[in-house]
Amino acid sequence: QQQVKQSPQSLIVQKGGISIINCAYENTAFDYFPWYQQFPGKGPALLIAIRPDVSEKKEGRFTISFNKSAKQFSLHIMDSQPGDSATYFCAASMGAGNMLTFGGGTRLMVKP
Amino acid sequence: DTGVSQDPRHKITKRGQNVTFRCDPISEHNRLYWYRQTLGQGPEFLTYFQNEAQLEKSRLLSDRFSAERPKGSFSTLEIQRTEQGDSAMYLCAGGQGTSTDTQYFGPGTRLTVL
Repeated sequence: QQQVKQSPQSLIVQKGGISIINCAYENTAFDYFPWYQQFPGKGPALLIAIRPDVSEKKEGRFTISFNKSAKQFSLHIMDSQPGDSATYFCAASMGAGNMLTFGGGTRLMVKP
Repeated sequence: DTGVSQDPRHKITKRGQNVTFRCDPISEHNRLYWYRQTLGQGPEFLTYFQNEAQLEKSRLLSDRFSAERPKGSFSTLEIQRTEQGDSAMYLCAGGQGTSTDTQYFGPGTRLTVL
């Protein structure tokens, strides 16, 4: 059962543009929603995370928007750069320290 | 750098052989997780330790898989009688405390079963 669905599977954006990746979840018990960035041959690295008590969180060029009623959350990358080209994963977990359930990933390519 | 190291980084083995991977988190990581990631997919949870106690195991963790974390420091993941379907990246993550959620991933061990 895929509890976290991510779209699109791949995304091409011009340098300076906005990259938007969406995720939807099914389990209303999820209370922690991180985004991870992964480069080829590397482990996932935490980018930014949000809890359902806020609707938006911004860190630098990265923003998470969260819609609890729709059970959806998204990652916005402003002023996208070629160095942002990587695979991005959304995830969710229930309770502190519990296992992460990942989405299927989005391969982002930022063209110079 | 998350401070989580994994060894080996790559392992090629023949079907039916046993393999063992090691994960070394930083000393502050009392929580340790193992995930498996197949090509083009997100990581899938395998098992979780709080200190030396194995608290949760996924249904993905068949009887051929065993994980240990003696003394609550490093952890090993062993796969017995490997199958071609075991080919994947095996990721280890560390977490600190009991009230925070952040998991810090190591670089992974890429397993290829011929």
